[in-house]
Amino acid sequence: NAGVTQTPKFQVLKTGQSMTLQCAQDMNHEYMSWYRQDPGMGLRLIHYSVGAGITDQGEVPNGYNVSRSTTEDFPLRLLSAAPSQTSVYFCASSHRGSGSHEQYFGPGTRLTVT
Amino acid sequence: TQLLEQSPQFLSIQEGENLTVYCNSSSVFSSLQWYRQEPGEGPVLLVTVVTGGEVKKLKRLTFQFGDARKDSSLHITAAQPGDTGLYLCAGATGSARQLTFGSGTQLTVLP
Repeated sequence: NAGVTQTPKFQVLKTGQSMTLQCAQDMNHEYMSWYRQDPGMGLRLIHYSVGAGITDQGEVPNGYNVSRSTTEDFPLRLLSAAPSQTSVYFCASSHRGSGSHEQYFGPGTRLTVT
Repeated sequence: TQLLEQSPQFLSIQEGENLTVYCNSSSVFSSLQWYRQEPGEGPVLLVTVVTGGEVKKLKRLTFQFGDARKDSSLHITAAQPGDTGLYLCAGATGSARQLTFGSGTQLTVLP
């Protein structure tokens, strides 16, 4: 199993551009989440999904959209990139039956907005 | 918004020393996790503690969940350079699968 995969690994955008960060998992996990990691601030939840067709907002959702058309994929869309969105983005998945809430993380996408 | 405060933020020690990292909150969590993150990679789960007062050991690492399930600690005995990394605690509430992460402790173990 590949686990959780993310593409691209690195991306540079100009202010106002849009793009989609891809995330896929092959563990048949029901739950998927997107986090951003900034220096000194840990990981903050952007959006999450408890299953195909169901998404909800996390702590910092503004400027981002998500959709969950399949169990495997959970793309994150930046509608109009801003320098404040410069960050490292992590996708994670977890199994609904896991009472421990254990999450499996992808390798991250490092995004720079100029 | 539930907050998890980790301390210290940075820790640099010599190989062989012991250390403790703390994770504190005013909120009660149903479970608390500790992750370790290497540069350029995503966090990897070390342990989950669920019961108040629970102690778990993973080789030289000892994890404790506070009796009131509001705080946790990670103790490393005889630290090694391979222990270097960013240690993150994360608290879970309810069944919404939302984790609240602490800001992390950057540990450097010098040979």
